[in-house]
Amino acid sequence: ETGVTQTPRHLVMGMTNKKSLKCEQHLGHNAMYWYKQSAKKPLELMFVYSLEERVENNSVPSRFSPECPNSSHLFLHLHTLQPEDSALYLCASSQSSSGRTSYEQYFGPGTRLTVT
Amino acid sequence: GQSLEQPSEVTAVEGAIVQINCTYQTSGFYGLSWYQQHDGGAPTFLSYNALDGLEETGRFSSFLSRSDSYGYLLLQELQMKDSASYFCAVRDLGAAGNKLTFGGGTRVLVKP
Repeated sequence: ETGVTQTPRHLVMGMTNKKSLKCEQHLGHNAMYWYKQSAKKPLELMFVYSLEERVENNSVPSRFSPECPNSSHLFLHLHTLQPEDSALYLCASSQSSSGRTSYEQYFGPGTRLTVT
Repeated sequence: GQSLEQPSEVTAVEGAIVQINCTYQTSGFYGLSWYQQHDGGAPTFLSYNALDGLEETGRFSSFLSRSDSYGYLLLQELQMKDSASYFCAVRDLGAAGNKLTFGGGTRVLVKP
């Protein structure tokens, strides 16, 4: 595997379900990110982890819970989601120096989430 | 807060030149990046400008004017494979120095 991988690629879940999105990067980077991409809206930063520590939480509802067990893996745990949470969820990684985000981020293919 | 403005859509023919403008308002500024995203694909990094001027990478060039809070991406010798969405992104301070804020994207449609 190379680059940034995400599983599953597609997910349909009910509002009462609990599911997790997984991201893995094979680039040796030390920072990982979750973004939400909705139709006709800009990419929205959700969370940033740098050296496995969460350094940014962009006012995301608590029904989204990130986890970064090591610098190569990132999870997004989902529970009691709403239909408006349906979107493409993108993971990215970068090499971050001095705790500052890199301008060059590598994105995974995304998980297309549909909440019914 | 931060905001970036770019046109929503541009149409051009093969071989033409397209310029995608991006204006920004940020509380801090460390540089302007450009990303390309094909339908169903992941955003991929194209270029970065931290200083004023033009950066050229093959058929694509990117320009920045910090005094005008403005930049553009220039696509030359357009090819069908260039049909995609293009996003500008500002690297700014954020709460902990770790934010890229993206524009809404410009959808480029290349016609034969």
